[in-house]
This record gives sequence, structure tokens and C-alpha cells, in this order.
Amino acid sequence: GESVGLHLPTLSVQEGDNSIINCAYSNSASDYFIWYKQESGKGPQFIIDIRSNMDKRQGQRVTVLLNKTVKHLSLQIAATQPGDSAVYFCAENYGGSQGNLIFGKGTKLSVKP
Amino acid sequence: EADIYQTPRYLVIGTGKKITLECSQTMGHDKMYWYQQDPGMELHLIHYSYGVNSTEKGDLSSESTVSRIRTEHFPLTLESARPSHTSQYLCASSEYRRQGGKETQYFGPGTRLLVL
Repeated sequence: GESVGLHLPTLSVQEGDNSIINCAYSNSASDYFIWYKQESGKGPQFIIDIRSNMDKRQGQRVTVLLNKTVKHLSLQIAATQPGDSAVYFCAENYGGSQGNLIFGKGTKLSVKP
Repeated sequence: EADIYQTPRYLVIGTGKKITLECSQTMGHDKMYWYQQDPGMELHLIHYSYGVNSTEKGDLSSESTVSRIRTEHFPLTLESARPSHTSQYLCASSEYRRQGGKETQYFGPGTRLLVL
């Protein structure tokens, strides 16, 4: 079936280190992916997206990598800061489900000072 | 920053009461959504709308109802609140691309509902 899941439910990193959050998806027809950040008490905030015709996209301190061969998505955060502490969700869109996004379970990132 | 607003932010209410959660966006987006989310858990789509006078049920069955009389407004109503409705409710909007393509959703801050 269709699913978007995360390998690790929690991740703890030292301030200044790089963070990698992983996501697996099962629908090979998915052609658009988004990473969201959700801080406590807030709604999800768009971080970065990637289309399936790309395998890498960079933003400010964040990079998303897409490996279509193994249906794997990752979010890399460089020089992690305390403000990066949040729950991170990946979402996929394959054109089905009326074009709605399918969200996976989140990964909680904790940054130790 | 996305211009999407939700009120109230927090609501504590007794069982049996009727409540309406408000959601408004100023981006002119056609498509709007309501999600239910328990703390730290995944988002479950309960309603969405393609535009004015369009309402659709999402993946998660819900006793709530929605309406879309204006493009910018997508309220959610619970006719009789129960403790099982206690959760966070998130509203989102996106452009609707009839030819396919990405539909990035932008979220409001959410309403935390506690039904006693």
C-alpha cells in the first residue's frame, strides 16, 4: 500500500553538528515531496520541496536528497542550532488521492547545547 | 510566511456544545484542508475543498462538517462536542493545479481543542 514513513522517531544531535532525517516512501509514482518543520504549539512550516526529476535540492542550511531507486528521501540540516529543535514531517504527492499530500510520521529532532 | 489564520487558538468546552473553528487565508488559494493531529503524531486529513461550494471528506472519518461559501474562509463545525474530539485541528491551503503538479500546502497555527 501507500505509505510514507520515517526510519527514526527521535534524533538527538549536538549543536553545530549536521543532522540527517530520513523518510521512506512506497509509491513509485510519487513525483513531488515536501519537508515540513513543526515547532511545539505551531502548525507545520514549509522547509523545502523537490520534484522527482531532481535528486538534490539545496536551501539555506538544508538539503533534500531523493533516491528514487530505493524510494528514500532525506533532509540534511547543516550546523544544527537549538532553533532547529522540532518535529519534521515528510509528505509525498503522487497525483492520486485527489492530489492531496500524504504525510508520514514525524521525527523529533532535539538539539543539545 | 503564509497568510493563513485560525481562531480560536485554544478552546476548552463542555461535552454536547456546538463549536465552530475558523480558518481564513488571504492568498487567494482555491484549495483548503482540515487536518486532525494528536500531539507529536502524524496529520490526518478530515476535510478538504477545491473551491467555493466544494467540500470533500478526507481519509479520516470525522463527525465534523465544513462549508465553503467564500474562497478565503473554510470553517469547521462540531454539532455536539465529545471528549474523543480533543485534539489539535490544523487548517491549510494551496493553489489548485487542475493539470497536476505540485500543490504546496501552507498551514495555519492550529486550534487546540479540549472537550471536558
